[in-house]
Order: sequence, then structure tokens, then C-alpha cells
Amino acid sequence: SQTIHQWPATLVQPVGSPLSLECTVEGTSNPNLYWYRQAAGRGLQLLFYSVGIGQISSEVPQNLSASRPQDRQFILSSKKLLLSDSGFYLCAFRAYGTHDNEQFFGPGTRLTVL
Amino acid sequence: GNSVTQMEGPVTLSEEAFLTINCTYTATGYPSLFWYVQYPGEGLQLLLKATKADDKGSNKGFEATYRKETTSFHLEKGSVQVSDSAVYFCALSDRYSGAGSYQLTFGKGTKLSVIP
Repeated sequence: SQTIHQWPATLVQPVGSPLSLECTVEGTSNPNLYWYRQAAGRGLQLLFYSVGIGQISSEVPQNLSASRPQDRQFILSSKKLLLSDSGFYLCAFRAYGTHDNEQFFGPGTRLTVL
Repeated sequence: GNSVTQMEGPVTLSEEAFLTINCTYTATGYPSLFWYVQYPGEGLQLLLKATKADDKGSNKGFEATYRKETTSFHLEKGSVQVSDSAVYFCALSDRYSGAGSYQLTFGKGTKLSVIP
């Protein structure tokens, strides 16, 4: 079966510190991968998506970056966190060849920047 | 471009009440439509989907019908429970979105609270 993992589950970081959030997918090959952010009380904002290893598209200019070093691994990073980076970060995948394009989400990472 | 509009709520209902959450969409192609549910502190779960006009998606007592003539996909449940308290997101995917990204377009979410 297909599963998606994210870690850490929660993170508290000071302003200006680096960030690395990891997402891995199991049970499928060549998935599309997505990073979303959900600010408190607000909807979903697509940050990055990837259609293959090393291929990253950014939807919103910001101080975050993403990388896909392996087929089923997606990493969200920052060199220096801002207060505005606080939020709930969700990773999602679309299985290769899916006709209906549904995405499946991980459990999320709650990031608090102080 | 594509867009999804849903009632923002919050919606508060008593247990066993009837639920409707409205969702309308704008799409340039032939979208698939989805409802996702997010329980407190968790990620989104796919609740149901419909892929063509007049399809009805259903799961866990929830239903939604793909109405192309009214560009709507309203979520309904006949008798809600306290455990249904969550945020509900309507979304669409245009199968012909560019560059193979297969992005989903989400509504802003509707928070449902069910009280005993």
C-alpha cells in the first residue's frame, strides 16, 4: 500500500535558524510531490511541486527552498527562518499514472518560529 | 484559471442534524472534483471524489454530486455526529493542467463543529 511520512511532527525554531523538513513516500514510484503551507485559520498554499528527481517548481517566492534528491524523498529547507514561516507544513503525493489526480497527504509538521 | 468557492463557515450543528456545505467551481477543462477532510492537528484525508458530470461520490455517510450545469459539488450528510467535527475542503483537478503538475485547486475550507 502507498504511505507518506513526514518528520518531525512538531518543531520550534528561533528566527534566523535553518530548517529541514523531510517527506518520504512508500509503495509507489515516480510520484508527483507537493509541499503546502497552512497558516493558522487559513487555507492551503502550494509552495513547491516536483514531477521528478531534481525537478522543482516554485509557486510562491519566499525564503524557502525544496529539493528531491531521490524519487520518493522531498525536502523543504530554509537557510534563515522568519517569524512568518510559522505554520503547518503538509507534504502530498500524486501516484504516477493516476487518472483522477487525487493527492494523498502526510500527517504534517507544525513549525513555530519564535 | 481554475477556482473553487466554498462557504467559509464556521458551521455549528447539533448532533443528528442535516449538513450541507456548498462548493462551486470554475474550470477551463474537464475537472475531477474532491472533498477532503482535516481533523484537528492532522493532515488532509480524501473523503470522496467524482470524475465526470452526474457522478456521485460517497463515503462514511457523506455524499456529493458533480453538477456540471450548475458547476457545483455540494457536500451533504443526513445525520452528523460529533466525530464529524473537522475542516472540509473542496478541490478540483483539471486533468489537462500544464507541465504535468496535476495541481489541485482548493477552496478555503469550512470548519464544522457538531455539538451533542
